[in-house]
Amino acid sequence: EPEVTQTPSHQVTQMGQEVILRCVPISNHLYFYWYRQILGQKVEFLVSFYNNEISEKSEIFDDQFSVERPDGSNFTLKIRSTKLEDSAMYFCASTIGQGAYSNQPQHFGDGTRLSIL
Amino acid sequence: ILNVEQSPQSLHVQEGDSTNFTCSFPSSNFYALHWYRWETAKSPEALFVMTLNGDEKKKGRISATLNTKEGYSYLYIKGSQPEDSATYLCAFRGGGADGLTFGKGTHLIIQP
Repeated sequence: EPEVTQTPSHQVTQMGQEVILRCVPISNHLYFYWYRQILGQKVEFLVSFYNNEISEKSEIFDDQFSVERPDGSNFTLKIRSTKLEDSAMYFCASTIGQGAYSNQPQHFGDGTRLSIL
Repeated sequence: ILNVEQSPQSLHVQEGDSTNFTCSFPSSNFYALHWYRWETAKSPEALFVMTLNGDEKKKGRISATLNTKEGYSYLYIKGSQPEDSATYLCAFRGGGADGLTFGKGTHLIIQP
């Protein structure tokens, strides 16, 4: 069964450094998402991406965050200047569509654990 | 801020017993309710996407019901097995929104 893949599985970065988290969504999917889970808290929505632009973003997704689909397969999340509070598990997800496909699930990757020192 | 709550937070069930747990969500501006099964160190696995009031969905021994008017969904597991041990997450999607708002999950432990 096709799956969403994320790399790396664990990233350790010094505070203030830039970090890029990578995702390969399922190949025929059109909508892509990033979520995060800070330890002990709920999974939180960050951003959705469709047709090469941001479709929706949450309050968490401020100017230090950006997303990109640099080629036909990868979807990346960049954090420009990391803070201690960015330490979390980051999940990428994809779905085939929205609207008429509202009954389709979002398929999640295994996540990248980001640790900021 | 959307409020999605799940109860109980954790649950110990004897193998072979049936169990259920609850997800409550806003009753206004409803679009869909998602259920996921999440094992440690794995990705959340989609179980159901429910969109209509009164929906009832089934996958093997797991089933779910939906009441959008009062804002709750139940997940049922019949004849629990050790492999059912996982965290079960529900997630609300409002009209016009792309992102899901998750509950904190119910951590289910099946005791042999």
